[in-house]
Amino acid sequence: KAGVTQTPRYLIKTRGQQVTLSCSPISGHRSVSWYQQTPGQGLQFLFEYFSETQRNKGNFPGRFSGRQFSNSRSEMNVSTLELGDSALYLCASSRGTGGTVETQYFGPGTRLLVL
Amino acid sequence: GENVEQHPSTLSVQEGDSAVIKCTYSDSASNYFPWYKQELGKRPQLIIDIRSNVGEKKDQRIAVTLNKTAKHFSLHITETQPEDSAVYFCAASLIFGNEKLTFGTGTRLTIIP
Repeated sequence: KAGVTQTPRYLIKTRGQQVTLSCSPISGHRSVSWYQQTPGQGLQFLFEYFSETQRNKGNFPGRFSGRQFSNSRSEMNVSTLELGDSALYLCASSRGTGGTVETQYFGPGTRLLVL
Repeated sequence: GENVEQHPSTLSVQEGDSAVIKCTYSDSASNYFPWYKQELGKRPQLIIDIRSNVGEKKDQRIAVTLNKTAKHFSLHITETQPEDSAVYFCAASLIFGNEKLTFGTGTRLTIIP
């Protein structure tokens, strides 16, 4: 099976702009989670989507939002970008239907630089 | 919420020796504990995981132990090789339907040839 893919791989934006990142999960996986990775804060959970519904949410401001489509692909959006939003954004997919917590497989990430 | 602490933050071992990384978690309801390896510029990759109904799991040179009473789990790598050099993250997750992974802060493991 093809792995988790993310686009774009790199982005440069300026403060105040908005950005949309895309994630395509492994075929058959219905759960998509998003994480922010920074040197200072490590890997932090943003939110998780399952069957087009946000099932879990981390402690990030409302500028961070996401959605999931019927084919399980997911997008996350960051509005009014701040310098501190510079990070590697990782998505991870899992089946989400096994009745128990399942392995999450990560994509390569989108590296966002905010100037 | 859940909090995961990971130690040490850096670890250097001679090639062929063993490496041990330890994590503690705060929420006794956590029941799934994966370990990820992240090489420079690459995605985190699962190397082993353990569930709360198991005390130990082994996969070739890698093993994980879990002590539910003490709320800590450890990664053991034996016969280390240069390709084991990477950053290792532990994580904890709650019940099904709450797929959030809470990560430790990572351990940079360097294998000295």
